[in-house]
Amino acid sequence: ETGVTQTPRHLVMGMTNKKSLKCEQHLGHNAMYWYKQSAKKPLELMFVYNFKEQTENNSVPSRFSPECPNSSHLFLHLHTLQPEDSALYLCASSQDTRVANYGYTFGSGTRLTVV
Amino acid sequence: QQQVKQSPQSLIVQKGGISIINCAYENTAFDYFPWYQQFPGKGPALLIAIRPDVSEKKEGRFTISFNKSAKQFSLHIMDSQPGDSATYFCAATRGSAGNMLTFGGGTRLMVKP
Repeated sequence: ETGVTQTPRHLVMGMTNKKSLKCEQHLGHNAMYWYKQSAKKPLELMFVYNFKEQTENNSVPSRFSPECPNSSHLFLHLHTLQPEDSALYLCASSQDTRVANYGYTFGSGTRLTVV
Repeated sequence: QQQVKQSPQSLIVQKGGISIINCAYENTAFDYFPWYQQFPGKGPALLIAIRPDVSEKKEGRFTISFNKSAKQFSLHIMDSQPGDSATYFCAATRGSAGNMLTFGGGTRLMVKP
């Protein structure tokens, strides 16, 4: 399998639940990103990892917790979410954030609904 | 991050017409300007990109026009087709420095048959 794969594609969770989103890339990239896409703010950068190290946290609430065990996998752990967190969560990867960085590859996203 | 402003937010074009989406940026250090196309239920996919050393780049029906002095660039879709109906995002980055992409707000394009 190639590209960036996200699971699950759809997720409905209650406000007290704990769930995790998974992203996997088979492109040999070293940088991975979480974006939130909602109707009001189309593409919001949440977190950036480069070579497994977090390099950016864009003032994201602590109810979102990222994890990057290796350069190929990225998780977003969710707990005690709010209805306004309902959105499409997109994972992306790129070669490396420290050197010439011209291409992002996005996954298809996880459509999250918080009830 | 520097802002990238995109317009219009939505666009309706008849089949066979020309779709034009505009973006303006502030940071003169940006050196890579990609456009992404996103279909419902999918993530954005790279459509076409340009660097500031050229004023135009064409790939099939898609053309980017770049005006460095005005700090503006635009996407033209010639002979627009219903299958082009999607959301389009412009973006900019100083890719040579490893900087992250800064995205525009997106344009929802609908091409009517």
